[in-house]
Amino acid sequence: ETGVTQSPTHLIKTRGQQVTLRCSSQSGHNTVSWYQQALGQGPQFIFQYYREEENGRGNFPPRFSGLQFPNYSSELNVNALELDDSALYLCASSSKGGTSGNTIYFGEGSWLTVV
Amino acid sequence: AQTVTQSQPEMSVQEAETVTLSCTYDTSESDYYLFWYKQPPSRQMILVIRQEAYKQQNATENRFSVNFQKAAKSFSLKISDSQLGDAAMYFCAYRETSGSRLTFGEGTQLTVNP
Repeated sequence: ETGVTQSPTHLIKTRGQQVTLRCSSQSGHNTVSWYQQALGQGPQFIFQYYREEENGRGNFPPRFSGLQFPNYSSELNVNALELDDSALYLCASSSKGGTSGNTIYFGEGSWLTVV
Repeated sequence: AQTVTQSQPEMSVQEAETVTLSCTYDTSESDYYLFWYKQPPSRQMILVIRQEAYKQQNATENRFSVNFQKAAKSFSLKISDSQLGDAAMYFCAYRETSGSRLTFGEGTQLTVNP
């Protein structure tokens, strides 16, 4: 049990639609990262938020956007969904500057299927 | 850019035996962290072991140990006394000391045979 919760766990969307995925970080963690994991592949870094600001981005187009709220929870938004967006989306939280050595904890992920 | 390579897509081991999973990485940094994560069918990413690059001593966590060769940029995971519950996808990952971004390899699917 990592204390990182994600919702929804599974969802199906139609190509062209928009989706919002949510993540509650572990208590005391101020940094949230999002990863996309396609079937049979390793997770790919999408972006990271620290104190409500985007703090690093991977090779993903602008239709992937995010938010971090004052309580450090986060949202991942994907617009104009494409079939290739079908994947497991993982949220990870950590504490930048903390004494935990920046241990990163993952949620159980949100499975997105685009049809 | 940092890259992580796992050259073994699949591995299998007999219960109670020992298995080693391989990982190589590329970076120009001198200080960084390396990790092995386990991902069972539930898809929860579970930290198995971590290694700080500035430490020469190899990390050990119970039945799990690593062989960290900094000059060769190699970071293998040894699982001793393999158990059925060890069956999962294993990912090697790299992280700079200053950030929280993880770079993952493609994974090794480990099967444990009874």
